[in-house]
Amino acid sequence: DTGVSQDPRHKITKRGQNVTFRCDPISEHNRLYWYRQTLGQGPEFLTYFQNEAQLEKSRLLSDRFSAERPKGSFSTLEIQRTEQGDSAMYLCASSLEGPKQFFGPGTRLTVL
Amino acid sequence: AQSVTQLDSQVPVFEEAPVELRCNYSSSVSVYLFWYVQYPNQGLQLLLKYLSGSTLVESINGFEAEFNKSQTSFHLRKPSVHISDTAEYFCAVSDPGTGGYNKLIFGAGTRLAVHP
Repeated sequence: DTGVSQDPRHKITKRGQNVTFRCDPISEHNRLYWYRQTLGQGPEFLTYFQNEAQLEKSRLLSDRFSAERPKGSFSTLEIQRTEQGDSAMYLCASSLEGPKQFFGPGTRLTVL
Repeated sequence: AQSVTQLDSQVPVFEEAPVELRCNYSSSVSVYLFWYVQYPNQGLQLLLKYLSGSTLVESINGFEAEFNKSQTSFHLRKPSVHISDTAEYFCAVSDPGTGGYNKLIFGAGTRLAVHP
């Protein structure tokens, strides 16, 4: 059990550029979640996968955001045409069954 | 929709003193409740959880929390804090009804600062 990993840990980009983050869940965990955490706030739910199916998306996930989990293992979160308001920590979590979620270290995005 | 209120954004305390971090959630028939801890530049670590059964839950490092359904609260306590407890603490709720347990709803967090 190596834990949830995320890559990169930090990303600095210019406004208007596209960025992609990767999350590798704990092996055999069939559920995967993305959250966003802005400074001074708690994490906010973005989206949820069960295996490769994306079952729930938050209203926070605008059309510029897309998430995939093509083979039910790792997941990617892409942000197109980044805006300064996208600057945040993006957290990934996974679980096997039930409500207990294990979090990765996060990807900190800074949009200049 | 569920919501979580952490009543204190910052709690300063001296080492070896007791501490209570308060958490209230909006009413629901039944919920799962969690406390997570976040150290600087790290992800969230589960501290303790309430799913069912005994209303008092404990962690391995001396924290405890009590589920109070009538007051819709899940306050976190520790009788004697250490410098190493300095961190951000998040209360979270998951609604097991209607499949809602798929996501966690977090409070805004409480920064615990332990001073020598």
